[in-house]
Amino acid sequence: AQTVTQSQPEMSVQEAETVTLSCTYDTSESDYYLFWYKQPPSRQMILVIRQEAYKQQNATENRFSVNFQKAAKSFSLKISDSQLGDAAMYFCAYRSFRTGTSGSRLTFGEGTQLTVNP
Amino acid sequence: KAGVTQTPRYLIKTRGQQVTLSCSPISGHRSVSWYQQTPGQGLQFLFEYFSETQRNKGNFPGRFSGRQFSNSRSEMNVSTLELGDSALYLCASSLAAGAVTDTQYFGPGTRLTVL
Repeated sequence: AQTVTQSQPEMSVQEAETVTLSCTYDTSESDYYLFWYKQPPSRQMILVIRQEAYKQQNATENRFSVNFQKAAKSFSLKISDSQLGDAAMYFCAYRSFRTGTSGSRLTFGEGTQLTVNP
Repeated sequence: KAGVTQTPRYLIKTRGQQVTLSCSPISGHRSVSWYQQTPGQGLQFLFEYFSETQRNKGNFPGRFSGRQFSNSRSEMNVSTLELGDSALYLCASSLAAGAVTDTQYFGPGTRLTVL
């Protein structure tokens, strides 16, 4: 079974600064997908960024980028030019490549609560 | 395109009762997954339905069940409610095409409180 670990329960950053959230995972699979979701106080889960394990290039979405280290099973999220609206709980999630056995099931980490200070 | 909708948004029940939650996926999405979110256990996968069939199931007791209709709408049912069932129940839909673009999009959740 796959596991996802987020070792930072809370992080804070000054507005306009950069912050990195950590995520490690454990799997015996060679192909899989990784995601970062954001959950603001409204509780709506919002996709931030996704990464295919077979791609060496790190995914980027505007101010959000990842550092994917497959050998180390590490998947960190970097938020540049932090904004007040980035304050939320961030979840790292894993999905198996083989939908035939695992379907679309996501395995989530414990979450990191990000505070953005003005 | 309308997002994933869940009804009701808030629900209060008492122990021993049963409850049914509803989820309408994004138009064209064929897979619906359910997750339970609690402060103690975090986000846990309940089950996934695809084309009216349960494709995957998490480690929850049989009191938790679900179904999917031909229009892809899904319901989950919890019978004989316990205090520990108090949680935010999230529904997510996806195309179920198997690619990375087959991303799960979440609804706003149903907050269930069991008294």
